[in-house]
Amino acid sequence: AQSVTQPDIHITVSEGASLELRCNYSYGATPYLFWYVQSPGQGLQLLLKYFSGDTLVQGIKGFEAEFKRSQSSFNLRKPSVHWSDAAEYFCAVKRSQGNLIFGKGTKLSVKP
Amino acid sequence: EAEVAQSPRYKITEKSQAVAFWCDPISGHATLYWYRQILGQGPELLVQFQDESVVDDSQLPKDRFSAERLKGVDSTLKIQPAELGDSAMYLCASSSSGTGNPREQYFGPGTRLTVT
Repeated sequence: AQSVTQPDIHITVSEGASLELRCNYSYGATPYLFWYVQSPGQGLQLLLKYFSGDTLVQGIKGFEAEFKRSQSSFNLRKPSVHWSDAAEYFCAVKRSQGNLIFGKGTKLSVKP
Repeated sequence: EAEVAQSPRYKITEKSQAVAFWCDPISGHATLYWYRQILGQGPELLVQFQDESVVDDSQLPKDRFSAERLKGVDSTLKIQPAELGDSAMYLCASSSSGTGNPREQYFGPGTRLTVT
């Protein structure tokens, strides 16, 4: 069955430190992968997406993610975290009919 | 910039009452999705429309939930009767159709439902 696993429920990093959020997927075919961010009480905003080609994808707000087929992973990274990055982050894989399967999310807290 | 509109943003209702949510997708988007997000979880698909037709409603609790998109534009999701376990964020998303790369889904701000 198709699934997305985000192993870390909650991560705390210091402002200015680097960040990596983990995502593992289970999908039979070539996956279409996404990272979304959600601020409290808000909808989801797309950070970046991977369809094909270059396995390192750049997104908005200075985020990037690397697709590693051998590890079934699509980890999100940012070299220097800002306090405004505190939010919940969701990894998702697109099913063949178009809808998304989401992970349970990772909540990011940023220490001053 | 075009956005997905949802109303109301917040709804408090008593158990056994009826409740309805409305979604207006981005103009021209043929595909519309309703997701439910329980606190602390990722969103899960309830129903997917292609124009006015249902593509997938396998996870929709049909004994109490209904969804329609009569003219293939805006959509309504209804719960009757509401139960305590229905407390969640209800998210609407839309995407365009066509061949080529998968189309990005744009999400609305959601409706936060609290059932008391």
